[in-house]
Amino acid sequence: EDQVTQSPEALRLQEGESSSLNCSYTVSGLRGLFWYRQDPGKGPEFLFTLYSAGEEKEKERLKATLTKKESFLHITAPKPEDSATYLCAVQAAGGSYIPTFGRGTSLIVHP
Amino acid sequence: DAGVIQSPRHEVTEMGQEVTLRCKPISGHDYLFWYRQTMMRGLELLIYFNNNVPIDDSGMPEDRFSAKMPNASFSTLKIQPSEPRDSAVYFCASNERGGDQPQHFGDGTRLSIL
Repeated sequence: EDQVTQSPEALRLQEGESSSLNCSYTVSGLRGLFWYRQDPGKGPEFLFTLYSAGEEKEKERLKATLTKKESFLHITAPKPEDSATYLCAVQAAGGSYIPTFGRGTSLIVHP
Repeated sequence: DAGVIQSPRHEVTEMGQEVTLRCKPISGHDYLFWYRQTMMRGLELLIYFNNNVPIDDSGMPEDRFSAKMPNASFSTLKIQPSEPRDSAVYFCASNERGGDQPQHFGDGTRLSIL
């Protein structure tokens, strides 16, 4: 069974304090890995797609990286507006191709 | 561009009542997904459609749940009869090519069954 585990469940940072969120996965062949951001009372909003080990994507203060077993979402010098829940979703090479979501990491950045 | 539109945004009803959630996907998107999100279980896929046809409903928890897509611009998720454990946020999402593309989510329906 495909599994996606995100850690930590919750993270509190001071503004400017860089850190990383982790998404580890167990699938029978990775087709794609997606990162989403979810604000309270809203649906998830797409951030990045990664397809192969070694790939990196960047957007403002966020950088996503991928290895064969996990992905990291690095947040550099975060601001309070980066506070949100970050979800990763893993798409396996076989089956229905519909991604499986992790439980998310709730990030709070204090000013 | 209009995103995925869900209604109602909030629904509070008593146990045993019928609940109908509605979704309008983004125009031109061939895939539509229904998810349920809870603190305990996170975001779970309930069912998805391709070109208005249900493809996989293995995530639908019980026969009390049913979903339809009568045309490309409208889908419903119905719970009958509703139970308190059905309380959750229900999301609809759509995209053009199924699992190979990121999904565009609506803002959800927060359902409370008393």
